[in-house]
Amino acid sequence: GQNIDQPTEMTATEGAIVQINCTYQTSGFNGLFWYQQHAGEAPTFLSYNVLDGLEEKGRFSSFLSRSKGYSYLLLKELQMKDSASYLCAGMDSNYQLIWGAGTKLIIKP
Amino acid sequence: GAVVSQHPSRVICKSGTSVKIECRSLDFQATTMFWYRQFPKQSLMLMATSNEGSKATYEQGVEKDKFLINHASLTLSTLTVTSAHPEDSSFYICSVPTGGYYEQYFGPGTRLTVT
Repeated sequence: GQNIDQPTEMTATEGAIVQINCTYQTSGFNGLFWYQQHAGEAPTFLSYNVLDGLEEKGRFSSFLSRSKGYSYLLLKELQMKDSASYLCAGMDSNYQLIWGAGTKLIIKP
Repeated sequence: GAVVSQHPSRVICKSGTSVKIECRSLDFQATTMFWYRQFPKQSLMLMATSNEGSKATYEQGVEKDKFLINHASLTLSTLTVTSAHPEDSSFYICSVPTGGYYEQYFGPGTRLTVT
């Protein structure tokens, strides 16, 4: 079956770095997405990886290893506004997104 | 990208009544829109794919007669929850895929509470 696993909750300190891991199993693979979702709001797109390696976009970076079925989202210089849930989603061969349950990131001062 | 709006943002209705949720793509002509449901602390669950000019495609386990979808134009899709029950209370979100990296742009969501 298809499955996305990510930790339920993580805590980090303002100004620090945090890495949110995601492992995936999909029927075929057309890329791995990361979305940010603040409480009570819709998800917003953060990143897309389809090739192995690291994609850097400002304070956020995303990594993919297709052979390991693994991705991570790296957040640097954490700010209080980064407190949110981070959703990992894999796209299968039918171009459908398979969503993880999200990782709630709590930032402490 | 695409700017997507949803209306209403919040709705409370009584059990047995029907509720219509609108999803509008404001700056992108969308032949396809997706409808998701999200229960608290759970992942997004795709309910159906809305297709302009044709019938919606429903995911397994989603009752098509209960969740009526109409994609009337390239900018509007509606989801009607018929005979709503308390277990239908959820966060309903639509999204518009825009090609490219297969990005989906999400509407702000509609919080439905059925009493």
